[in-house]
Amino acid sequence: DGGITQSPKYLFRKEGQNVTLSCEQNLNHDAMYWYRQDPGQGLRLIYYSQIVNDFQKGDIAEGYSVSREKKESFPLTVTSAQKNPTAFYLCASSIAPQITYEQYFGPGTRLTVT
Amino acid sequence: AQKVTQAQTEISVVEKEDVTLDCVYETRDTTYYLFWYKQPPSGELVFLIRRNSFDEQNEISGRYSWNFQKSTSSFNFTITASQVVDSAVYFCALSEAPYAGGTSYGKLTFGQGTILTVHP
Repeated sequence: DGGITQSPKYLFRKEGQNVTLSCEQNLNHDAMYWYRQDPGQGLRLIYYSQIVNDFQKGDIAEGYSVSREKKESFPLTVTSAQKNPTAFYLCASSIAPQITYEQYFGPGTRLTVT
Repeated sequence: AQKVTQAQTEISVVEKEDVTLDCVYETRDTTYYLFWYKQPPSGELVFLIRRNSFDEQNEISGRYSWNFQKSTSSFNFTITASQVVDSAVYFCALSEAPYAGGTSYGKLTFGQGTILTVHP
């Protein structure tokens, strides 16, 4: 079955540690995205990638980093510089980055930093 | 700047009632796309519908229907004969091309979401 996988489902870290969230898709989509969701709020875009070896900052990129070395993979690193990292993180992909195309989402990773 | 407003934070209905979720958007562009997503308790967002700005025809898919009115910048979602399985958070989203940079990338802006609870 084609889809997007994110692992792990729940992640716990101590303050000051970097942590990397995994996102893999086998849909052969060019574009991939990372969103952050806080309780009672909509999704906010962290980073996006239109194609392999390319990525752009979204609205709230500070304290995060990404890489796109393979088409199917778009890992997100939450660094110690992110002031409030506890949140629900969702990865998405679309056939292409143009506005025409809907985005498909993974199951999410809930990160708790204490 | 683009903006999506879902004024209803929470809606509670009894099974078999009809329910309408409101969505109002703001955009400067004439070409844009509107989306609805469902987020069940499991957390994954599920794509429901995409509508472009040039197509104002209403759409029906089973118990779901969507009413797009450009004159009022609204894209409302109605569930007919609601069921317990419809309980979820529903998000309306808007995608439009940016004005600067020359990229065709469309930024997706989400509303705050409406929590729908359907009681048996």
